[in-house]
Amino acid sequence: DAGVIQSPRHEVTEMGQEVTLRCKPISGHNSLFWYRQTMMRGLELLIYFNNNVPIDDSGMPEDRFSAKMPNASFSTLKIQPSEPRDSAVYFCASSRDSNTGELFFGEGSRLTVL
Amino acid sequence: EDQVTQSPEALRLQEGESSSLNCSYTVSGLRGLFWYRQDPGKGPEFLFTLYSAGEEKEKERLKATLTKKESFLHITAPKPEDSATYLCAVRRDTGRRALTFGSGTRLQVQP
Repeated sequence: DAGVIQSPRHEVTEMGQEVTLRCKPISGHNSLFWYRQTMMRGLELLIYFNNNVPIDDSGMPEDRFSAKMPNASFSTLKIQPSEPRDSAVYFCASSRDSNTGELFFGEGSRLTVL
Repeated sequence: EDQVTQSPEALRLQEGESSSLNCSYTVSGLRGLFWYRQDPGKGPEFLFTLYSAGEEKEKERLKATLTKKESFLHITAPKPEDSATYLCAVRRDTGRRALTFGSGTRLQVQP
């Protein structure tokens, strides 16, 4: 059974460019989470969806960040315009439902903004 | 605001040398406390869920315990393959339902 699939694994871009990160959750999972991990701040929740509906986006840093989940098998996290402080590893995770804390994480997308 | 503090930040053990990792938490209405393991370049991997004070869970050389203010991850006779970062997270029973993570403990077990 395939796990959570994220792409790209690595992205290097220049300040001001648009970045789109993609995630395919585990089939049958109803909740999807985007986390960001840095050395300074650890693992921070950006946004999560339940049944494709955004439930909590209070962790999204600012208007430059947006996330969508058009269907149960796909989600995107977009940064426009990107800034050097956005450099981090972005993780997508899914879970069977919103009542469990057992999250299945992808391998992450490492973003470097120059 | 929920807070999760893990200590120590880093721990180096010899193979077979048992120890404990600490996770202190402040949360309004604990719904669950979770332990994850993260290997370099990988996403976190779920280990345990604890729901109430006094509860214990075991898996191979790992045992997690919970009190009203903290959780411990005990590692008995560790092996080099136990080297990883161990993350603790909490979930509240109202409001934000997503997990709040601590900064982790980097464990290195030397042969």
